[in-house]
Amino acid sequence: AQSVTQPDIHITVSEGASLELRCNYSYGATPYLFWYVQSPGQGLQLLLKYFSGDTLVQGIKGFEAEFKRSQSSFNLRKPSVHWSDAAEYFCAVGAHNAGNMLTFGGGTRLMVKP
Amino acid sequence: EAQVTQNPRYLITVTGKKLTVTCSQNMNHEYMSWYRQDPGLGLRQIYYSMNVEVTDKGDVPEGYKVSRKEKRNFPLILESPSPNQTSLYFCASSSLAGGYNEQFFGPGTRLTVL
Repeated sequence: AQSVTQPDIHITVSEGASLELRCNYSYGATPYLFWYVQSPGQGLQLLLKYFSGDTLVQGIKGFEAEFKRSQSSFNLRKPSVHWSDAAEYFCAVGAHNAGNMLTFGGGTRLMVKP
Repeated sequence: EAQVTQNPRYLITVTGKKLTVTCSQNMNHEYMSWYRQDPGLGLRQIYYSMNVEVTDKGDVPEGYKVSRKEKRNFPLILESPSPNQTSLYFCASSSLAGGYNEQFFGPGTRLTVL
């Protein structure tokens, strides 16, 4: 069975600083990987996804993530954080042999200092 | 507009009083799923459906029922709600055409069971 770990429950960064949110997964084959963002009181919005090919994927809102098979990681990055990026971020792994199932990490809550 | 809708958005009820949370999608998706979100645990899958009249248990199905009589609707039923079912619930849908596809999420239903 697949699993996802987001080691950081909370992260605080200053506006304009760079950001990296960590995600480690466990899955027996090449995974489908996702990052979702949940703004306060909102549903989940897909930031980016990795299915295959280039291991550096670009998403919306200036985010990117890099798939590193050797480290079983899919860390999310942004070079300069904006106050509107304050939200909760979820990493998820999809199992293509289990009915489109998504397994989520516990989430990382990002706070942005002015 | 392509979307997943859920009703109600907020619900406060008492232990043992049967309730139904509706979910509807207008994208003709085969796959639909229910998740619950709890602090620190991310989203966990309750039930999913690969098509009409086809449903299966996710990771945390106890205390829940679902049905899929029509392709667009996937209601979540709590026959006898208990306080440990107080949570934020999300419905999601995706196409199954051509392999793995991203899931689209509804806005969420916040349920409180007293």
